[in-house]
Amino acid sequence: TQLLEQSPQFLSIQEGENLTVYCNSSSVFSSLQWYRQEPGEGPVLLVTVVTGGEVKKLKRLTFQFGDARKDSSLHITAAQPGDTGLYLCAGDMDSNYQLIWGAGTKLIIKP
Amino acid sequence: DADVTQTPRNRITKTGKRIMLECSQTKGHDRMYWYRQDPGLGLRLIYYSFDVKDINKGEISDGYSVSRQAQAKFSLSLESAIPNQTALYFCATIEGGTQYFGPGTRLTVL
Repeated sequence: TQLLEQSPQFLSIQEGENLTVYCNSSSVFSSLQWYRQEPGEGPVLLVTVVTGGEVKKLKRLTFQFGDARKDSSLHITAAQPGDTGLYLCAGDMDSNYQLIWGAGTKLIIKP
Repeated sequence: DADVTQTPRNRITKTGKRIMLECSQTKGHDRMYWYRQDPGLGLRLIYYSFDVKDINKGEISDGYSVSRQAQAKFSLSLESAIPNQTALYFCATIEGGTQYFGPGTRLTVL
């Protein structure tokens, strides 16, 4: 059983459309991170959210941490082919050594 | 040059063979981790090391062993490979809460 559920698992849309992907849990996290992984590479950190209700923007990407710190969302505005990749969320439960990883959302943006 | 490198990038081996995956980093971080990634399962922690003398098992350490030869080097071994160890393996360093991943090794066990 995944402690962090990501949805959808797969999303294929046209360039210019908007999209939202979700990362949900019944557990509370002290912080949550979003990573993007491109084929043949390791994941790269996009953002860390720490405070319940926090919203962070990275150009066309908007990240939100739920008020109860159990869930998070990533919204992309006017998606571009360069946004294609596997988006992973990872939660920190203050274990000092281990992040809890979601299985990822595979996103394809078609030109 | 990449900060975290892994060798080999791809490897095909047979059941029962011993194989070693190597990881090197130039970031100067003390913490290094080994993960495996399987479709639909995300990243799962195999072993982690807080420094050269501190090595710990992760959630799926059975069938694997590690060696921390120096601050910069952390190797993962499969003593007797089996087909269900076919996966993408990542090494990562950790600093300030951020994980820095290598490019991965795609391992196939026939």
